[in-house]
Amino acid sequence: DGGITQSPKYLFRKEGQNVTLSCEQNLNHDAMYWYRQDPGQGLRLIYYSQIVNDFQKGDIAEGYSVSREKKESFPLTVTSAQKNPTAFYLCASSLTGVLAEAFFGQGTRLTVV
Amino acid sequence: AQKITQTQPGMFVQEKEAVTLDCTYDTSDQSYGLFWYKQPSSGEMIFLIYQGSYDEQNATEGRYSLNFQKARKSANLVISASQLGDSAMYFCAMRVEVGGNTPLVFGKGTRLSVIA
Repeated sequence: DGGITQSPKYLFRKEGQNVTLSCEQNLNHDAMYWYRQDPGQGLRLIYYSQIVNDFQKGDIAEGYSVSREKKESFPLTVTSAQKNPTAFYLCASSLTGVLAEAFFGQGTRLTVV
Repeated sequence: AQKITQTQPGMFVQEKEAVTLDCTYDTSDQSYGLFWYKQPSSGEMIFLIYQGSYDEQNATEGRYSLNFQKARKSANLVISASQLGDSAMYFCAMRVEVGGNTPLVFGKGTRLSVIA
């Protein structure tokens, strides 16, 4: 089945450690996105990529990094510079076009202790 | 910049009744798309319906319809015949057509609770 896979579903890390969240899609979508969701908040954009080997910062990129070496993969690294990393992270992908819906993974809940 | 406003943090509806979830948007672009997503407690985002800015007719998908009023910049979601399984967070989002694949911008969401 085609879709987006995020792993792991739950992740615990100690403060000060970098951690990488995985996002893989087999939908042949050019565009991929990372969002962060906090309780009572909507989804806020961290980074997005419109094509392989290219990506742009979103509204809250500080403390995060990404890479897009393959069309299928868009991993997100939460660095120690991110001051409040505990959150729910959602990865998405879409085709090109203003009416292209975004398909989402099931999310990764990151808890930093 | 685009902005989505959802003014209802929480809503209650009786089972089998209809409910309207409000969404207003702000953009200076002429070409854009409006979307609604459902997020159950499991956390996954489920696409429900979309509307293009040039579409003259309101979009419908089963029990979901999008009440699009361009002059008012509103894109309200109407759920008819509510079911217990409709209890979830609902997010309104938009995308504009500027320079390729722009990301979706989301509102803060409305939590819908369906009462038996």
